Amino acid sequence: GDSVTQMEGPVTLSEEACLTINCTYTATGYPSLFWYVQYPGEGLQLLLKATKADDKGSNKGFEATYRKETTSFHLEKGSVQVSDSAVYFCALSDGHFAGNNRKLIWGLGTSLAVNP
Amino acid sequence: ETGVTQTPRHLVMGMTNKKSLKCEQHLGHNAMYWYKQSAKKPLELMFVYSLEERVENNSVPSRFSPECPNSSHLFLHLHTLQPEDSALYLCASSQDRLGPQNTEAFFGQGTRLTVV
Repeated sequence: GDSVTQMEGPVTLSEEACLTINCTYTATGYPSLFWYVQYPGEGLQLLLKATKADDKGSNKGFEATYRKETTSFHLEKGSVQVSDSAVYFCALSDGHFAGNNRKLIWGLGTSLAVNP
Repeated sequence: ETGVTQTPRHLVMGMTNKKSLKCEQHLGHNAMYWYKQSAKKPLELMFVYSLEERVENNSVPSRFSPECPNSSHLFLHLHTLQPEDSALYLCASSQDRLGPQNTEAFFGQGTRLTVV
């Protein structure tokens, strides 16, 4: 079945460092790909998404490119801030069904801590 | 209020208790979801409601009983739970069930449940 694999955390960085969180997937059909973020004590929020190959999602300085050839959707940011400390989840919406019956398949999450 | 609101934020219950989790969304969405988030595991989809009708039940034990009285409210009734049911329970909603034209889910902050 479809699956998502994320790099294990925790990831600890200093402020202004570069961030990459790896995400790879296996899927049949044509999935959409997502990054969600969960700040401490809060629910998940959509950070960015890409719905087809070569699309780049971006938001709040974060970017991820849908790479079909490498089945990847790595999350990147050039300069992280303390406020970026959170858990980041990679997910895909399975593309098995043409109609409205898709599921979100989740990675385990990667915890990021940014120190001042 | 806007968004998805869950109450209570924290709940401690004994194995013989009966309690309910509440979720309310003010986004005008037609689909609502219950997820279970446990440490070291991917998010587990428990139930899906679309237009107040349960459309999916992912082999969830009968000690969890969902209720969707209208498109804005979703409950999860709990009885005779086990310690391994301790987790963060997240409610989410989307405009319609996830599909090619609707790919985003909005999450509440979750209820941290501890079964003693």
